[in-house]
Amino acid sequence: QSLLTQPPSASGTPGLRVTISCSGSSSNMRWNYVYWYQQVSGTAPKLLIYKNNQRPSGVPDRFSGSKSGTSASLTIGDLRSDDEADYYCSSWDDSLSGWVFGGGTKLTIL
Amino acid sequence: EERLLESGGGLVQPGGSLRLSCEASGFIFNTFAMTWVRQAPGRGLEWVSSTSASGGTTYYADSVKGRFTISRDNSKSTLSLEMYGLTAADTAEYYCAKMTAEHVRSAMDIWGQGTAVTVS
Repeated sequence: QSLLTQPPSASGTPGLRVTISCSGSSSNMRWNYVYWYQQVSGTAPKLLIYKNNQRPSGVPDRFSGSKSGTSASLTIGDLRSDDEADYYCSSWDDSLSGWVFGGGTKLTIL
Repeated sequence: EERLLESGGGLVQPGGSLRLSCEASGFIFNTFAMTWVRQAPGRGLEWVSSTSASGGTTYYADSVKGRFTISRDNSKSTLSLEMYGLTAADTAEYYCAKMTAEHVRSAMDIWGQGTAVTVS
Protein backbone atom coordinates (compact mmCIF):
# COMPACT_ATOMS: atom_id res chain seq x y z
CA GLN A 1 0.00 0.00 0.00
CA SER A 2 1.43 3.35 -1.08
CA LEU A 3 2.02 6.13 1.43
CA LEU A 4 0.60 8.57 -1.08
CA THR A 5 -2.99 7.85 -2.06
CA GLN A 6 -4.28 8.42 -5.56
CA PRO A 7 -7.48 7.28 -7.23
CA PRO A 8 -6.67 4.27 -9.41
CA SER A 9 -8.48 5.67 -12.41
CA ALA A 10 -9.84 8.85 -13.92
CA SER A 11 -11.42 9.74 -17.21
CA GLY A 12 -12.19 12.80 -19.23
CA THR A 13 -13.58 14.05 -22.49
CA PRO A 14 -11.38 15.73 -25.10
CA GLY A 15 -11.35 19.48 -24.64
CA LEU A 16 -12.47 19.33 -21.04
CA ARG A 17 -10.57 19.22 -17.76
CA VAL A 18 -9.70 16.53 -15.25
CA THR A 19 -8.17 16.71 -11.79
CA ILE A 20 -6.20 13.92 -10.11
CA SER A 21 -5.77 13.99 -6.35
CA CYS A 22 -2.90 12.83 -4.18
CA SER A 23 -3.15 12.50 -0.42
CA GLY A 24 -0.14 12.19 1.85
CA SER A 25 0.81 12.79 5.46
CA SER A 26 2.78 15.05 7.76
CA SER A 27 5.94 13.02 7.17
CA ASN A 28 5.95 13.63 3.46
CA MET A 29 3.75 16.17 1.74
CA ARG A 30 3.20 18.66 4.55
CA TRP A 31 6.79 19.90 4.59
CA ASN A 32 8.13 18.64 1.28
CA TYR A 33 7.48 19.36 -2.35
CA VAL A 34 5.20 17.27 -4.50
CA TYR A 35 6.24 16.07 -7.94
CA TRP A 36 4.11 14.58 -10.72
CA TYR A 37 5.24 12.12 -13.37
CA GLN A 38 3.48 10.98 -16.52
CA GLN A 39 4.04 7.49 -17.90
CA VAL A 40 2.63 6.59 -21.27
CA SER A 41 2.18 2.85 -21.68
CA GLY A 42 5.43 1.06 -22.49
CA THR A 43 7.63 4.09 -21.95
CA ALA A 44 9.71 5.57 -19.14
CA PRO A 45 8.17 8.11 -16.75
CA LYS A 46 8.45 11.79 -17.57
CA LEU A 47 8.64 14.69 -15.13
CA LEU A 48 5.46 16.75 -15.44
CA ILE A 49 5.37 19.02 -12.39
CA TYR A 50 8.07 19.82 -9.84
CA LYS A 51 8.05 21.77 -6.59
CA ASN A 52 4.25 21.51 -6.31
CA ASN A 53 3.35 23.67 -9.28
CA GLN A 54 6.33 24.27 -11.56
CA ARG A 55 6.42 22.99 -15.13
CA PRO A 56 9.66 21.84 -16.75
CA SER A 57 10.51 23.34 -20.09
CA GLY A 58 8.39 21.74 -22.80
CA VAL A 59 5.43 20.79 -20.62
CA PRO A 60 2.31 22.61 -21.85
CA ASP A 61 0.55 25.01 -19.52
CA ARG A 62 -2.51 22.74 -19.78
CA PHE A 63 -0.83 20.85 -16.94
CA SER A 64 -0.93 22.47 -13.52
CA GLY A 65 -0.25 21.36 -9.98
CA SER A 66 -1.19 22.56 -6.55
CA LYS A 67 -0.63 21.57 -2.95
CA SER A 68 -2.36 22.40 0.31
CA GLY A 69 -1.26 20.83 3.56
CA THR A 70 -1.00 17.10 2.97
CA SER A 71 -2.99 17.05 -0.26
CA ALA A 72 -2.03 17.82 -3.81
CA SER A 73 -3.68 17.75 -7.18
CA LEU A 74 -2.79 17.66 -10.83
CA THR A 75 -5.14 19.35 -13.26
CA ILE A 76 -5.04 18.70 -16.97
CA GLY A 77 -7.00 21.14 -19.10
CA ASP A 78 -8.10 20.92 -22.72
CA LEU A 79 -7.71 17.15 -22.66
CA ARG A 80 -6.16 15.45 -25.65
CA SER A 81 -6.05 11.81 -26.66
CA ASP A 82 -2.31 11.67 -26.06
CA ASP A 83 -2.82 12.62 -22.41
CA GLU A 84 -3.93 9.04 -21.88
CA ALA A 85 -1.30 7.71 -19.47
CA ASP A 86 -0.58 6.80 -15.87
CA TYR A 87 0.10 9.70 -13.55
CA TYR A 88 2.12 9.41 -10.34
CA CYS A 89 2.61 11.85 -7.49
CA SER A 90 5.76 11.69 -5.41
CA SER A 91 7.28 13.34 -2.36
CA TRP A 92 10.21 12.92 -0.03
CA ASP A 93 9.30 11.21 3.24
CA ASP A 94 11.22 12.44 6.28
CA SER A 95 10.36 9.40 8.41
CA LEU A 96 11.57 6.94 5.79
CA SER A 97 14.40 9.15 4.52
CA GLY A 98 13.37 8.24 1.03
CA TRP A 99 11.04 8.92 -1.83
CA VAL A 100 7.46 7.74 -1.87
CA PHE A 101 5.19 7.44 -4.89
CA GLY A 102 1.45 7.30 -5.15
CA GLY A 103 -0.05 4.15 -6.57
CA GLY A 104 -0.71 5.89 -9.87
CA THR A 105 -3.85 7.06 -11.63
CA LYS A 106 -4.71 5.67 -15.03
CA LEU A 107 -6.24 8.43 -17.12
CA THR A 108 -8.57 7.36 -19.89
CA ILE A 109 -9.67 9.79 -22.57
CA LEU A 110 -13.23 9.01 -23.56
CA GLU B 1 21.01 15.95 -25.27
CA GLU B 2 20.86 14.49 -21.77
CA ARG B 3 20.62 10.72 -21.90
CA LEU B 4 20.72 7.73 -19.61
CA LEU B 5 21.27 4.18 -20.79
CA GLU B 6 20.72 1.26 -18.42
CA SER B 7 22.18 -2.18 -18.88
CA GLY B 8 22.82 -5.37 -16.95
CA GLY B 9 19.32 -6.69 -16.52
CA GLY B 10 18.42 -10.30 -17.18
CA LEU B 11 17.14 -13.55 -15.76
CA VAL B 12 18.57 -14.63 -12.41
CA GLN B 13 17.71 -17.40 -9.99
CA PRO B 14 16.34 -16.67 -6.52
CA GLY B 15 19.18 -15.86 -4.16
CA GLY B 16 21.35 -14.72 -7.04
CA SER B 17 22.98 -11.38 -7.72
CA LEU B 18 23.08 -8.88 -10.54
CA ARG B 19 24.79 -5.58 -11.27
CA LEU B 20 22.93 -2.86 -13.14
CA SER B 21 24.69 0.03 -14.82
CA CYS B 22 23.49 3.38 -16.06
CA GLU B 23 25.67 5.32 -18.47
CA ALA B 24 25.04 9.06 -18.55
CA SER B 25 25.77 11.51 -21.33
CA GLY B 26 24.95 15.09 -22.27
CA PHE B 27 25.31 16.61 -18.80
CA ILE B 28 27.93 17.12 -16.10
CA PHE B 29 27.36 13.86 -14.25
CA ASN B 30 29.22 14.73 -11.05
CA THR B 31 26.99 17.70 -10.28
CA PHE B 32 23.70 15.83 -10.02
CA ALA B 33 22.25 13.27 -7.63
CA MET B 34 21.01 10.03 -9.18
CA THR B 35 18.26 7.56 -8.36
CA TRP B 36 17.04 4.06 -9.15
CA VAL B 37 13.30 3.46 -9.46
CA ARG B 38 11.69 0.14 -10.31
CA GLN B 39 8.34 -0.98 -11.63
CA ALA B 40 7.08 -4.52 -11.22
CA PRO B 41 4.98 -5.87 -14.10
CA GLY B 42 1.59 -4.19 -14.11
CA ARG B 43 2.40 -2.22 -10.95
CA GLY B 44 3.31 1.33 -10.02
CA LEU B 45 6.61 3.07 -9.50
CA GLU B 46 8.71 2.13 -6.48
CA TRP B 47 11.73 4.13 -5.37
CA VAL B 48 14.78 1.91 -4.76
CA SER B 49 17.82 4.03 -3.95
CA SER B 50 19.39 7.45 -4.39
CA THR B 51 22.88 8.88 -4.18
CA SER B 52 24.14 12.43 -3.92
CA ALA B 53 26.31 13.96 -6.62
CA SER B 54 29.52 13.07 -4.80
CA GLY B 55 28.30 9.61 -3.85
CA GLY B 56 28.93 10.44 -0.23
CA THR B 57 25.27 10.18 0.78
CA THR B 58 23.09 7.23 -0.11
CA TYR B 59 19.54 6.21 0.72
CA TYR B 60 17.70 2.92 0.31
CA ALA B 61 14.12 1.72 0.42
CA ASP B 62 13.48 -0.63 3.32
CA SER B 63 12.64 -3.38 0.83
CA VAL B 64 16.23 -3.44 -0.50
CA LYS B 65 18.28 -2.18 2.42
CA GLY B 66 21.14 -4.53 3.18
CA ARG B 67 20.80 -6.31 -0.17
CA PHE B 68 21.34 -3.55 -2.74
CA THR B 69 24.24 -1.11 -3.02
CA ILE B 70 24.16 2.04 -5.10
CA SER B 71 27.42 3.55 -6.30
CA ARG B 72 28.69 5.93 -8.91
CA ASP B 73 31.91 6.44 -10.83
CA ASN B 74 31.98 10.13 -11.64
CA SER B 75 35.11 9.71 -13.76
CA LYS B 76 33.11 7.41 -16.07
CA SER B 77 29.69 9.09 -15.72
CA THR B 78 28.26 5.78 -14.60
CA LEU B 79 25.74 4.83 -11.91
CA SER B 80 25.54 1.27 -10.63
CA LEU B 81 23.23 -0.87 -8.55
CA GLU B 82 24.60 -4.08 -7.06
CA MET B 83 21.79 -6.44 -6.13
CA TYR B 84 22.19 -9.50 -3.89
CA GLY B 85 19.82 -12.02 -2.39
CA LEU B 86 17.32 -11.49 -5.17
CA THR B 87 13.77 -12.75 -4.79
CA ALA B 88 10.75 -12.86 -7.04
CA ALA B 89 9.62 -9.59 -5.44
CA ASP B 90 12.61 -7.88 -7.08
CA THR B 91 11.34 -8.72 -10.57
CA ALA B 92 10.79 -5.38 -12.25
CA GLU B 93 11.87 -2.87 -14.83
CA TYR B 94 14.65 -0.82 -13.29
CA TYR B 95 15.01 2.82 -14.28
CA CYS B 96 17.85 5.16 -13.47
CA ALA B 97 16.97 8.81 -13.20
CA LYS B 98 18.97 12.02 -13.03
CA MET B 99 17.95 14.49 -10.36
CA THR B 100 17.90 18.25 -10.75
CA ALA B 101 20.33 19.09 -7.93
CA GLU B 102 23.39 17.68 -6.21
CA HIS B 103 21.22 16.52 -3.33
CA VAL B 104 18.65 13.73 -3.59
CA ARG B 105 15.65 15.82 -2.54
CA SER B 106 15.06 17.16 -6.00
CA ALA B 107 13.08 16.22 -9.09
CA MET B 108 13.87 13.23 -11.31
CA ASP B 109 14.02 15.04 -14.62
CA ILE B 110 15.73 12.61 -16.97
CA TRP B 111 14.94 8.88 -17.08
CA GLY B 112 16.56 6.00 -18.89
CA GLN B 113 14.59 3.50 -20.94
CA GLY B 114 14.88 0.86 -18.23
CA THR B 115 16.42 -2.59 -17.91
CA ALA B 116 14.38 -5.65 -17.02
CA VAL B 117 15.27 -7.92 -14.12
CA THR B 118 13.50 -11.26 -13.77
CA VAL B 119 14.07 -13.45 -10.74
CA SER B 120 12.89 -16.99 -11.40
